[in-house]
Amino acid sequence: AIQLTQSPSSLSASVGDRVTITCRASQGISSALAWYQQKPGKAPKLLIYDASSLESGVPSRFSGSGSGTDFTLTISSLQPEDFATYYCQQFNNYPQTFGGGTKVEIK
Amino acid sequence: QVQLQESGPGLVKPSETLSLTCTVSGGSISSYYWSWIRQPAGKGLEWIGRIYTSGSTNYNPSLKSRVTMSVDTSKNQFSLKLSSVTAADTAVYYCARVAEQLVLDYWGQGTLVTVSS
Repeated sequence: AIQLTQSPSSLSASVGDRVTITCRASQGISSALAWYQQKPGKAPKLLIYDASSLESGVPSRFSGSGSGTDFTLTISSLQPEDFATYYCQQFNNYPQTFGGGTKVEIK
Repeated sequence: QVQLQESGPGLVKPSETLSLTCTVSGGSISSYYWSWIRQPAGKGLEWIGRIYTSGSTNYNPSLKSRVTMSVDTSKNQFSLKLSSVTAADTAVYYCARVAEQLVLDYWGQGTLVTVSS
């Protein structure tokens, strides 16, 4: 199975900060990567698909980039509602796999 | 707006079979793949598998010997069975819809299943 390694595993940031989370795949997955946001006690929410396509209704401060093995999720200006855990997911190969998550906390 | 709701026992004894159903409302279950994902407390997400409305399935090899998925289009439901459960199967189980892009665009709220005697 393809392994996805997210870094950092957690970070502290302030409202208004620019935040970048990386996801590295153990082998090339083209652009078959998605990003999800999960808040405590809630189901994950799809933010980005195909590495850089913004899901409908998701604020434009979220963006994704990358292809092959290296991907990034960027939040251009962190808002209070963005404090959550973020997961990447690859869907190029079965089984689909998720990264270990990055928890974004208030500084 | 598509909505998904998991249902099933919250407590299962070791060695028994975990059975969950996901009911889809606000849209047809037809012509989509549907997935199950689980998340142990405080841990990450694990993809269990997916099923198409024709009954075609893909399972995670790590669970394949114990997993069975089925679909009932007349009830707009799909189901998960996981046999021979142990404490390691204790988790929140989510059902989700697989979008055309193969990502998971609609999720249920999740249901906690605890394996304990």
